[in-house]
Amino acid sequence: AQSVTQPDIHITVSEGASLELRCNYSYGATPYLFWYVQSPGQGLQLLLKYFSGDTLVQGIKGFEAEFKRSQSSFNLRKPSVHWSDAAEYFCAVSNFGNEKLTFGTGTRLTIIP
Amino acid sequence: DTAVSQTPKYLVTQMGNDKSIKCEQNLGHDTMYWYKQDSKKFLKIMFSYNNKELIINETVPNRFSPKSPDKAHLNLHINSLELGDSAVYFCASSPPRTSGLYQETQYFGPGTRLLVL
Repeated sequence: AQSVTQPDIHITVSEGASLELRCNYSYGATPYLFWYVQSPGQGLQLLLKYFSGDTLVQGIKGFEAEFKRSQSSFNLRKPSVHWSDAAEYFCAVSNFGNEKLTFGTGTRLTIIP
Repeated sequence: DTAVSQTPKYLVTQMGNDKSIKCEQNLGHDTMYWYKQDSKKFLKIMFSYNNKELIINETVPNRFSPKSPDKAHLNLHINSLELGDSAVYFCASSPPRTSGLYQETQYFGPGTRLLVL
């Protein structure tokens, strides 16, 4: 069965600092990988996704993620965070022919001035 | 225009009651989903419908019954509500596959916050 681990429950960074959120997946074949963001009291918004091809994918709001098969990872990065990036971030995995998204437990991002 | 909408946004009710949550999408998508997010923010799929047909049912108690009157709507009816049903319920939708290689993006509604007292 597919699974996703987000090892960091809560991360605090200073505004303007760089950010990396970790995501590890467990799945035998090539996974489909996603990062979603949930702002307080809001639904989920897709930041980016990886299906195949270039392992470095660009998303909205200046985010990018890199798929590393050897490490079973899909970490999310941003070179300089803004206060508006404070939110809950979810990594998710799916696979070919399966519409089901399996989510990680999320990482809460706090931005300090 | 809201792409995926849910009503109500908040729902507070007593244990044992029956309640419904409605979901509508105006994106022309074929597939719709219900997810449950618990108090620890863990998100788990409950159901998925494609063109009004059930395709995923993730061992959800049969007190939960989804109903899809047409492919733009997927409602969730919950009988005999229990304290453990308190959660945020998200509806989502996705378009038809344009290629067998890719899964289409799921678009989420704003959520319905259910509190069972």
